Amino acid sequence: AQTVTQSQPEMSVQEAETVTLSCTYDTSENNYYLFWYKQPPSRQMILVIRQEAYKQQNATENRFSVNFQKAAKSFSLKISDSQLGDTAMYFCAFMTLNDMRFGAGTRLTVKP
Amino acid sequence: DAGVIQSPRHEVTEMGQEVTLRCKPISGHDYLFWYRQTMMRGLELLIYFNNNVPIDDSGMPEDRFSAKMPNASFSTLKIQPSEPRDSAVYFCASSRDSLKVTEAFFGQGTRLTVV
Repeated sequence: AQTVTQSQPEMSVQEAETVTLSCTYDTSENNYYLFWYKQPPSRQMILVIRQEAYKQQNATENRFSVNFQKAAKSFSLKISDSQLGDTAMYFCAFMTLNDMRFGAGTRLTVKP
Repeated sequence: DAGVIQSPRHEVTEMGQEVTLRCKPISGHDYLFWYRQTMMRGLELLIYFNNNVPIDDSGMPEDRFSAKMPNASFSTLKIQPSEPRDSAVYFCASSRDSLKVTEAFFGQGTRLTVV
């Protein structure tokens, strides 16, 4: 069975600093996609960044970047220059064409 | 409990046709969600119900999409007319008393292909 693990239930960071959220997964699939979602209290899932497993280059999106280690099955999210608006739950997700798994989430608090 | 049950598992239809996706949530769950999954946009919440009442449909992409929940054990998502860009996997999920996606139970999804 495919699993996604986020080992940090809660994290905090000072505004303007950098924070890294960890995510590991387990799968026997070779073709899959990985996502990081931000979920504010409104419950809507906001896509932060995505990574195709067949791409070796790490995805970046403005202040957000990932460290994708396929062999280690690791997919961490780095947030640079943290802003107060980054405070939210962050979920790592693993997807194939027919399956989807989420990690338990990491609650990130950005402190002024 | 058999979990969230969706039907059909696969649907192939021609552009312009009406498509109806069905969902049976877990008995006793108060919340029902409809999600669309594509590899480009990931998971998108389309609409959710609480006690059979639609609460937030702001994720429904267009008027071609409509959802109903006539009773606690059944919901439908309808697309009329369907278009090729609607091709995706549509997930139904239910939860007892939480809006957190990780506390929802997902169905196996309906893979829709519009040709």
